Amino acid sequence: AQSVAQPEDQVNVAEGNPLTVKCTYSVSGNPYLFWYVQYPNRGLQFLLKYITGDNLVKGSYGFEAEFNKSQTSFHLKKPSALVSDSALYFCAVCGAGSYQLTFGKGTKLSVIP
Amino acid sequence: NAGVTQTPKFRVLKTGQSMTLLCAQDMNHEYMYWYRQDPGMGLRLIHYSVGEGTTAKGEVPDGYNVSRLKKQNFLLGLESAAPSQTSVYFCASSSGRHEGDTQYFGPGTRLTVL
Repeated sequence: AQSVAQPEDQVNVAEGNPLTVKCTYSVSGNPYLFWYVQYPNRGLQFLLKYITGDNLVKGSYGFEAEFNKSQTSFHLKKPSALVSDSALYFCAVCGAGSYQLTFGKGTKLSVIP
Repeated sequence: NAGVTQTPKFRVLKTGQSMTLLCAQDMNHEYMYWYRQDPGMGLRLIHYSVGEGTTAKGEVPDGYNVSRLKKQNFLLGLESAAPSQTSVYFCASSSGRHEGDTQYFGPGTRLTVL
């Protein structure tokens, strides 16, 4: 069975400061890891994914994520937060041989002006 | 290129009524999925399809049925709606060509069952 944990329901950060949204996972074999963002009353938008290769993955809107196999983590980061980054962020995992995504419960990011 | 579209956007049902949600994708994707989103629970997979004419159960299939008669469409049916099915429903699709393919989501359908 595969699972994802997002330990923080909410993250508050001041505009211009770096942000981190945490994600840990459990899966058999090599993982495929994803981050999605959801703005109010909208669908999920794909931000970035890790399949293989470089542990630092760069995605849309200046976001990046670092894959850490030993800590089974895939934290989302951005060097300088914008108010427009305020949204709900979901981490998801897919195990090798599976096409099904398992999502975390989501982390609400609030960027304070 | 519209991507993934869903109809309707909103619906209110009474307990026991039935309805069908339609998902359409124009990306020629093989795989399609139905999820429900509830506060504090993330997204949970209801049913999915790996190709035209095929369907399979996900994590929370009870009370729902699906059909994939055409490659571009994936229908989600509720035969007898219950208040516990009040939720936001999302459809997604992926190419199915590779492991780790990105799933692309529709805008969602907000369903309230009274």
